[in-house]
Order: sequence, then C-alpha cells, then structure tokens
Amino acid sequence: DVKVTQSSRYLVKRTGEKVFLECVQDMDHENMFWYRQDPGLGLRLIYFSYDVKMKEKGDIPEGYSVSREKKERFSLILESASTNQTSMYLCASSSWDSSSYNEQFFGPGTRLTVL
Amino acid sequence: GENVEQHPSTLSVQEGDSAVIKCTYSDSASNYFPWYKQELGKGPQLIIDIRSNVGEKKDQRIAVTLNKTAKHFSLHITETQPEDSAVYFCAASMGGNEKLTFGTGTRLTIIP
Repeated sequence: DVKVTQSSRYLVKRTGEKVFLECVQDMDHENMFWYRQDPGLGLRLIYFSYDVKMKEKGDIPEGYSVSREKKERFSLILESASTNQTSMYLCASSSWDSSSYNEQFFGPGTRLTVL
Repeated sequence: GENVEQHPSTLSVQEGDSAVIKCTYSDSASNYFPWYKQELGKGPQLIIDIRSNVGEKKDQRIAVTLNKTAKHFSLHITETQPEDSAVYFCAASMGGNEKLTFGTGTRLTIIP
C-alpha cells in the first residue's frame, strides 16, 4: 500500500514562530504536493515538486516555502506563522508519467492552529 | 488558470436513494477529471476518474459523466449506504504531470 505520512496530526503554534510540516512517502514517487484545506474553499495548492531540490509555486505560495532534499521527503515551512495560516495541511504524492493520468495519494493531514 | 466550481456544498440523502454532485470547469484544455472522497480524519482518496475521450464511466454504484461541450461533469452514487457519508471533491487537470485544480467540496450525509 502507498503510504504518505505527516509528522503531526495536530499542531499549535504562536504567531511569529517558524513552523515545519514534514511529509514522507514510501512509494518512490517523483511528485509531491502541499495543499491547504479550508471550509468552503476546498483544496488549494501551495507548492509542489517534481524532483529532488526542485520546487514550483502553486496557487497560494505567499507566506510559505518548501524544501525537498530527499526524494521521499517534502517539507512545508511557515517562516513566520500568522493566524490566517490556521488550517488543515495535506501532503500528497504521485508518480511522474507525462503520458498518463497520475493518482495523487494523500496523507492524513496536519491541523495547524496559530494563536 | 483553471477554475472548478462544485455544487452543492452539502447534500443529505436517504439511505438507498441516489446522490448527484456537479462540477463545472473553465479551461477547455483540461482533459482529466478525477473524484476524491475524504472520510473523517483521513486524506482524500481517488474513487473514480474520467478522461475527455469518454462520456461516462461506471464502477459498481458510482458513475461519472462528462459533457465537454458544456464543460461540466458529475458524480452519481446509486443505492447510497451509510459508508458513502464523506466529503467529495472533483478536480480537473490537463493530464500527464499537470497539477490538479480541485472544487470546493460537497459534504454528503446519508440518512439511515
């Protein structure tokens, strides 16, 4: 079974703190994604990566950065957390195949609260 | 960029009845339309998808239809069961390695 794990299910941080959200996948997938999920807004793409050390901005990258030093690990970084970053964060991975349609496999999510 | 609208946002259905969720997309270049189901406390999981060269696809009690001319696609669940209660997301992409654009989600509740 494909497994995508996220480092924490729940996280509470203070405004201004630097926050790291970690994601690890065990299927040797090339692609990894970070989304945030908010009621009424669905899933919005923050950043994604097609390969180690590569990153691409998604639809809402402001206030976030990412790191991909190893193929299986994709980290989301909030440089200075703000209350409007309180949300559910979902990590996903998929294989790279430009000729196919690639299912994304999601982790269980991290619910981040910024006080 | 692509924009995907999804309706309704909430849907309650009597057990055994059918449920329909509808999505529209804006980019005519999109050619891949997956549906994801998110159960409580879990991440979304792919349940069915359709490609632009197909008008309808079925998998047991679920089916998806696509109207490329009108740029809309729908999820149909027949003979609903309590385990169908979840949040459902539609999405669109240009396939291959292109990113998915998700709809806003539908919370489906099956009433026993």
